[in-house]
Amino acid sequence: DAKTTQPPSMDCAEGRAANLPCNHSTISGNEYVYWYRQIHSQGPQYIIHGLKNNETNEMASLIITEDRKSSTLILPHATLRDTAVYYCIVWSGNTGKLIFGQGTTLQVKP
Amino acid sequence: DTEVTQTPKHLVMGMTNKKSLKCEQHMGHRAMYWYKQKAKKPPELMFVYSYEKLSINESVPSRFSPECPNSSLLNLHLHALQPEDSALYLCASSQGSGRNTGELFFGEGSRLTVL
Repeated sequence: DAKTTQPPSMDCAEGRAANLPCNHSTISGNEYVYWYRQIHSQGPQYIIHGLKNNETNEMASLIITEDRKSSTLILPHATLRDTAVYYCIVWSGNTGKLIFGQGTTLQVKP
Repeated sequence: DTEVTQTPKHLVMGMTNKKSLKCEQHMGHRAMYWYKQKAKKPPELMFVYSYEKLSINESVPSRFSPECPNSSLLNLHLHALQPEDSALYLCASSQGSGRNTGELFFGEGSRLTVL
């Protein structure tokens, strides 16, 4: 499974966009990029995933570079409730394993 | 219903006790998972069941014994645990069968304390 590298922590002002980077330079062609978040004392929550193209849903946007070696999760208007640990995960249907890395702790400040 | 329900939410047990954690989902998912999470660490995969059969065991000690009685239920039987096994145990489910199975639905977890 390809490994991911994320900054340990980030701050964001409430109402501003939060841009969370992730490096996955060893990603294979059939591996997807998934993003989850875990709010304190809750189970992880799926946010979004993508293979090659940029993706958007009601929670966030996912920008994947053309070489697929990195991606950025964008929360367009961060709120205090978005304070959480955000995990970038490379997933393959071959193994079926969702393996969490260390993640980025995002602190949204008023 | 998009929930994964775990019981109990909290469990305290001695090292000689036998207890079980339970997990239930009614989304028709065919894959179910157990994760273990220590404080300030990411979740660690323990077991994966696919169509009620154990498909992945991440070299978990035998004092943890999973069971999948049917497609909606997943148990984790605990016996002779150590204090270092104290953690949050998370259950998850996914559709399975190659359909977006990277999208897992997690329960709130069972917080286990071993004395």
